[in-house]
Amino acid sequence: GQNIDQPTEMTATEGAIVQINCTYQTSGFNGLFWYQQHAGEAPTFLSYNVLDGLEEKGRFSSFLSRSKGYSYLLLKELQMKDSASYLCAVMDSNYQLIWGAGTKLIIKP
Amino acid sequence: NAGVTQTPKFRVLKTGQSMTLLCAQDMNHEYMYWYRQDPGMGLRLIHYSVGEGTTAKGEVPDGYNVSRLKKQNFLLGLESAAPSQTSVYFCASTEEGMDRAYEQYFGPGTRLTVT
Repeated sequence: GQNIDQPTEMTATEGAIVQINCTYQTSGFNGLFWYQQHAGEAPTFLSYNVLDGLEEKGRFSSFLSRSKGYSYLLLKELQMKDSASYLCAVMDSNYQLIWGAGTKLIIKP
Repeated sequence: NAGVTQTPKFRVLKTGQSMTLLCAQDMNHEYMYWYRQDPGMGLRLIHYSVGEGTTAKGEVPDGYNVSRLKKQNFLLGLESAAPSQTSVYFCASTEEGMDRAYEQYFGPGTRLTVT
């Protein structure tokens, strides 16, 4: 079966750095997405990786290792507004998105 | 541009009642999706459409029907609501293309409770 695993909840301090991991087992691979979802709101796109390596976009970076079925989202200089759930999703061979349950990130002052 | 909009935002139904959720997008996207999101679970695809007049089943289609009569609209119907259909429903759309992956744009969600 297809499976996406990510931690349920993480806590970090304002101004610090946090890494959210995602491991996956899917039938085929056409890229991995990270979305941010604030409580009660819709998911919004953060990043897309299809090749191995690190993609940097401002305070957020996303890394992919296809051979290990592994990705992480790195958030630097954490701000209170980064408190949200972070969803990992893999596009399988049919171009369907398989979603993880999300990681709730709590930022403390 | 409004992006993706959903109607209604909230609804309470009694078991056995029917309703239709409306999704509209103004980005001229070909692909549209209906998901449900439940606590502790990832988004699950109910039905999707790859263009006007087409629909296809997703991971959890039972108890739902859809229609895509116009390119900008995607309707999700519940014929006889059950408490197991209590959930948050998200509509999403994306550009055309089966040769690469595109980000999905989400509507604000519909919070449905079935009693």
